[in-house]
Amino acid sequence: GNSVTQMEGPVTLSEEAFLTINCTYTATGYPSLFWYVQYPGEGLQLLLKATKADDKGSNKGFEATYRKETTSFHLEKGSVQVSDSAVYFCALSDPMDSSYKLIFGSGTRLLVRP
Amino acid sequence: AAGVIQSPRHLIKEKRETATLKCYPIPRHDTVYWYQQGPGQDPQFLISFYEKMQSDKGSIPDRFSAQQFSDYHSELNMSSLELGDSALYFCASSSLDRGQTDTQYFGPGTRLTVL
Repeated sequence: GNSVTQMEGPVTLSEEAFLTINCTYTATGYPSLFWYVQYPGEGLQLLLKATKADDKGSNKGFEATYRKETTSFHLEKGSVQVSDSAVYFCALSDPMDSSYKLIFGSGTRLLVRP
Repeated sequence: AAGVIQSPRHLIKEKRETATLKCYPIPRHDTVYWYQQGPGQDPQFLISFYEKMQSDKGSIPDRFSAQQFSDYHSELNMSSLELGDSALYFCASSSLDRGQTDTQYFGPGTRLTVL
């Protein structure tokens, strides 16, 4: 079945450090891939997405590239801010699945210290 | 831009009681999804509706039921509540255009606490 695996957290960084959160997936088809962010006490916000191999999603300084050969969609940011502290979820949607439901990874908590 | 609306935002119930959660999708979105997020957990898919018909069902207990109405809003009905039902319940909506990729937009969630 389809699944998403994320690196365990928490990830603790100093402000302006480089961020990488690893995400790999298993899917029967060619899924769309997403990163969602959840700030404390809030809902899920779409951060970025990619729909096919070699696509790069980007938003707010975050980037992720859809790598079919390594089945990965790692999230990166060149310089994190304290305001980036949140939980980040990698997710997939399989077009072979008639409902397009999202399957999430376990989430990675990011803590950015001043 | 209009977002997904969920009500209530917080709900406290006793064991064995019933609860109804409501979701109002983004205008012109035809698909609604419900997810359950336990403490420290990732969201788990419960059920989805497309054009008012159930399109998929996940790990939803038989005590739960849901429907989508003619105005596309959806309600999740939960009966015989158990302590383990305490969680954050998210609704998401999308506009499915077959052949293109959907993107789900999430509401703020309803936090259900069962005492």
